[in-house]
Amino acid sequence: SQQGEEDPQALSIQEGENATMNCSYKTSINNLQWYRQNSGRGLVHLILIRSNEREKHSGRLRVTLDTSKKSSSLLITASRAADTASYFCATTFFGNEKLTFGTGTRLTIIP
Amino acid sequence: GAVVSQHPSWVICKSGTSVKIECRSLDFQATTMFWYRQFPKQSLMLMATSNEGSKATYEQGVEKDKFLINHASLTLSTLTVTSAHPEDSSFYICSATTPKETQYFGPGTRLLVL
Repeated sequence: SQQGEEDPQALSIQEGENATMNCSYKTSINNLQWYRQNSGRGLVHLILIRSNEREKHSGRLRVTLDTSKKSSSLLITASRAADTASYFCATTFFGNEKLTFGTGTRLTIIP
Repeated sequence: GAVVSQHPSWVICKSGTSVKIECRSLDFQATTMFWYRQFPKQSLMLMATSNEGSKATYEQGVEKDKFLINHASLTLSTLTVTSAHPEDSSFYICSATTPKETQYFGPGTRLLVL
């Protein structure tokens, strides 16, 4: 079964608002990554956060990781229409490069 | 960032035929490549891990005789769907790793089996 569960499954917000997506996983991880996928396209790597990190920023993206709760969140600030896409978290385990993907969140930004 | 290409981007074939999908890392050497499949509105499911010069490691439930993987060089891995059937219709995505742990994904190949 898939490692990660994402919440919400779908999210629609007005352009300019902030979007928050959450990811929960089941076992200890080495790192957690967030990817974006536009409809029918490949995945774009957004950000990687290691198990010993709690927060990372990249432009309008902010990722947090709480290993005690086995959860992560992705915040997109000042959303734009171009942010409309599906967002996936993915985890790796120590000594293993395999990615296990979450169920994904479909984000729609309403102009 | 690193670039991974896939060819073809889409393919339509008749049931019973075989289809080969190529995955190339264009500007880096990838010792490991991964193959995923994705059904509509679902997440990616790992099919197999491909290491250059060795046999691929398949995930549980993936038929290795049906999904043949070859990783002949550090920049090329191929996935051949043998004797394709309509239920094999899906979006197939490859990725390649760099020493920095990040996986870079190809644009995907949409397969439709009639």
